[in-house]
Amino acid sequence: DGGITQSPKYLFRKEGQNVTLSCEQNLNHDAMYWYRQDPGQGLRLIYYSQIVNDFQKGDIAEGYSVSREKKESFPLTVTSAQKNPTAFYLCASSMYGRAPNTGELFFGEGSRLTVL
Amino acid sequence: EDKVVQSPLSLVVHEGDTVTLNCSYEVTNFRSLLWYKQEKKAPTFLFMLTSSGIEKKSGRLSSILDKKELFSILNITATQTGDSAIYLCAVSVRGSEKLVFGKGTKLTVNP
Repeated sequence: DGGITQSPKYLFRKEGQNVTLSCEQNLNHDAMYWYRQDPGQGLRLIYYSQIVNDFQKGDIAEGYSVSREKKESFPLTVTSAQKNPTAFYLCASSMYGRAPNTGELFFGEGSRLTVL
Repeated sequence: EDKVVQSPLSLVVHEGDTVTLNCSYEVTNFRSLLWYKQEKKAPTFLFMLTSSGIEKKSGRLSSILDKKELFSILNITATQTGDSAIYLCAVSVRGSEKLVFGKGTKLTVNP
């Protein structure tokens, strides 16, 4: 079945540690995204990538890093520089540059990170 | 700055009630408006709207867009407890691959 797989679903880390969240898709989508969701805040864009080996900062990129070495994969690293990393992280993909490009995002199940 | 505002932020109703969720937007170059339902984890797609005045329907849910007033509504008739969720409105901007999301409306349907 085609879809987006995020792992781990739950993650606990001590303050000051870097953590990497995995996102893999087999939808053959070019564009991938990372969103952060906090209660009452909706979804805020961290980073996005429209093509392999290229990515752009979103609205809240500080303290995060990404890579896009393969079309299928877009891992997110939450670094120790992120001041408030405890949140729910959602990865998504879309059909960038292909018709029909509706702007619709396909989401993974999310990763809940808790920093102790 | 592109902006999407949803109202109300929270709503509690009884089963059988009809609800209307609101979404207004200010974006530089509008392409489409999308509604998602988020029950626990992954948001699921409900509707995409690109043209004014054309109602999209799916069962008890319907949505319409007003591009002149920069506004969309999502209607749910005869609500059920299974409609309890966060409803997210997002706008796709032409020339950008980003979706701009509102804060969501948390709907609770009590039996």
